[in-house]
Amino acid sequence: DTAVSQTPKYLVTQMGNDKSIKCEQNLGHDTMYWYKQDSKKFLKIMFSYNNKELIINETVPNRFSPKSPDKAHLNLHINSLELGDSAVYFCASSQGGIGGSNTGELFFGEGSRLTVL
Amino acid sequence: GEDVEQSLFLSVREGDSSVINCTYTDSSSTYLYWYKQEPGAGLQLLTYIFSNMDMKQDQRLTVLLNKKDKHLSLRIADTQTGDSAIYFCAESIDTDKLIFGTGTRLQVFP
Repeated sequence: DTAVSQTPKYLVTQMGNDKSIKCEQNLGHDTMYWYKQDSKKFLKIMFSYNNKELIINETVPNRFSPKSPDKAHLNLHINSLELGDSAVYFCASSQGGIGGSNTGELFFGEGSRLTVL
Repeated sequence: GEDVEQSLFLSVREGDSSVINCTYTDSSSTYLYWYKQEPGAGLQLLTYIFSNMDMKQDQRLTVLLNKKDKHLSLRIADTQTGDSAIYFCAESIDTDKLIFGTGTRLQVFP
């Protein structure tokens, strides 16, 4: 059983289109994240949700809209795609957030590679 | 700032030790982490160290933490070809945020 699963794994689309990436975790975690990894492998946090509530929004353009229908799912919708949106998007989850008494281990999905033409 | 710096590449011969270095920025980080990313896959936690520790050993992995210099290192003993991957250090900031380093691509040749 895959712990954190993302779909689709690959997505190729034209500039200006709208697309969604879905993420589901079956670990019973209460916190989920979206990270973006660019072509140089730099990994930056975009959003985090705890029990369906938005916790972190890292100055991501409002063309990106995350949605968490329940604590096991965190989807990412992107409007009006631009060339610079091409990247690998990783979903991750953790139990109880990071810091304090939590070790903060993140469990990552395999990534969704988005190519905007 | 929130920059976590690593050297980009490291190449070692199979059987040698590898040492991957990282400098971080937030002295209040509770935990510091090493993650491994294999080609086409997500990141997996390798090991972590609590900020009040100087060293942690886990089989072939040794983590050293120098809080004064904000320097973290990962030593892999007896490096194997299967260790070839990108290694990311990460620090925890606030309660829900991991900041990842720039990643070090480790290449192991026979």
